[in-house]
Amino acid sequence: GAVVSQHPSRVICKSGTSVKIECRSLDFQATTMFWYRQFPKQSLMLMATSNEGSKATYEQGVEKDKFLINHASLTLSTLTVTSAHPEDSSFYICSASSGGQHEKLFFGSGTQLSVL
Amino acid sequence: QKEVEQNSGPLSVPEGAIASLNCTYSDRGSQSFFWYRQYSGKSPELIMSIYSNGDKEDGRFTAQLNKASQYVSLLIRDSQPSDSATYLCAVRGTPGGGSYIPTFGRGTSLIVHP
Repeated sequence: GAVVSQHPSRVICKSGTSVKIECRSLDFQATTMFWYRQFPKQSLMLMATSNEGSKATYEQGVEKDKFLINHASLTLSTLTVTSAHPEDSSFYICSASSGGQHEKLFFGSGTQLSVL
Repeated sequence: QKEVEQNSGPLSVPEGAIASLNCTYSDRGSQSFFWYRQYSGKSPELIMSIYSNGDKEDGRFTAQLNKASQYVSLLIRDSQPSDSATYLCAVRGTPGGGSYIPTFGRGTSLIVHP
C-alpha cells in the first residue's frame, strides 16, 4: 500500500519553542492532507485540511497562528506548533489521500509531542 | 453535521471466534468507507476500504456495506490476541464538497482473550 512518512516520531521540547512536523507521501501525489491531534484514549480530532498551493482550512477552535500548516508540494505538508506549551502535548498525526475513484486514506506514523 | 457512530466497547471475544464491529453514518452522500486498526500509542492503519454495497473480503477480514441502511461493518474471523486494538470506522463523501473531509467514528475497542 501507499506510504505516508511522518517525522519526527517523538519530540520533547521546552515551553516556548516551536516544533515542525513533516508529512510526506512517498509514492503518490497528495493534493490534500489532513492533520489530526489525539489525546490518550480519545478519538482523532481533525485540526486542519492542508491543500497544496493554498491556505489550509482550519477546524473550529484550532488557532491558525498557533498551528502553521504549509503544503508547498504535492508530496509534503508541514505542521509547525509555534511557541509550544505543555497543553500542546499530544499525538499529532497526518493523513493523505491516494486520490482516484477508489481512493484510500493513509496515515503517517504520528508524532508524540511532549512540551516541558 | 456528519456523524459516524460506533459502539465504544470494549467488545470481548475469545480467540478463534468471529468479531463483529459495526458502524452507522448519517450522510447519505457518502461514497468511501474505511476501517482502520489502531494500537495504543500508534497511528491508525488502514485494513479495509469499501465503496459499493455488499461484502468485500481480504484474508480474515470482511467489510460489509449497506448504503440503504447507512451501515458498514467489519468481521474478523479466527480472531487472534494480536487483533486486540481500537477499530475506527471512517466515511468520506464525493470530491469538491465539505463531505470530502473524512469523518471518523470514536472507535470500538476489541479485546481478544486467549
